[in-house]
Amino acid sequence: SAVISQKPSRDICQRGTSLTIQCQVDSQVTMMFWYRQQPGQSLTLIATANQGSEATYESGFVIDKFPISRPNLTFSTLTVSNMSPEDSSIYLCSARQARNYGYTFGSGTRLTVV
Amino acid sequence: KQEVTQIPAALSVPEGENLVLNCSFTDSAIYNLQWFRQDPGKGLTSLLLIQSSQREQTSGRLNASLDKSSGRSTLYIAASQPGDSATYLCAADSNSGYALNFGKGTSLLVTP
Repeated sequence: SAVISQKPSRDICQRGTSLTIQCQVDSQVTMMFWYRQQPGQSLTLIATANQGSEATYESGFVIDKFPISRPNLTFSTLTVSNMSPEDSSIYLCSARQARNYGYTFGSGTRLTVV
Repeated sequence: KQEVTQIPAALSVPEGENLVLNCSFTDSAIYNLQWFRQDPGKGLTSLLLIQSSQREQTSGRLNASLDKSSGRSTLYIAASQPGDSATYLCAADSNSGYALNFGKGTSLLVTP
């Protein structure tokens, strides 16, 4: 399975600022995804990161708030923009090499907004 | 959209017991179902992946089954140990979407 390096592992940010989270995969993957895990909750899909084109966002998530880039088959970034305390969560990236492979997850970014 | 439900939400058992965690999903046109473990404050560890053509997978003391027609999967843990204490997450994709959809998890506590 692919191995994902995600950084930063944690950060404390001031409200109104932005944070960019990076996800690097050790092999080319066809699919990459970004999830949010709010305190005490399960994982919610934010968007599918599409290589070379705009990400596909789930209901309730918008590009202005969570811009995503995926310049190639091994790298993606998620930016959390104009942060508020409600954005305090764990953000995880996920990748999958092909449809018949399992999903691998990064170790997550624990974000606290103060 | 695939909806995933897990029962029970929490479970406490004494060490040595065998136990079953349940997962149900709404869209039977499933491609993959995957079980994960999450320790507090940590990321996800993949336990077992079951593809749509399979009925079960085994790894050590873990066995996961898949019944697409009834929309159910179970994770069986044999001879539980305190180190098994964690949250167990079930997730499924579907033929209409490529991302995993997660249940809310079962929080397991195995007491010595």
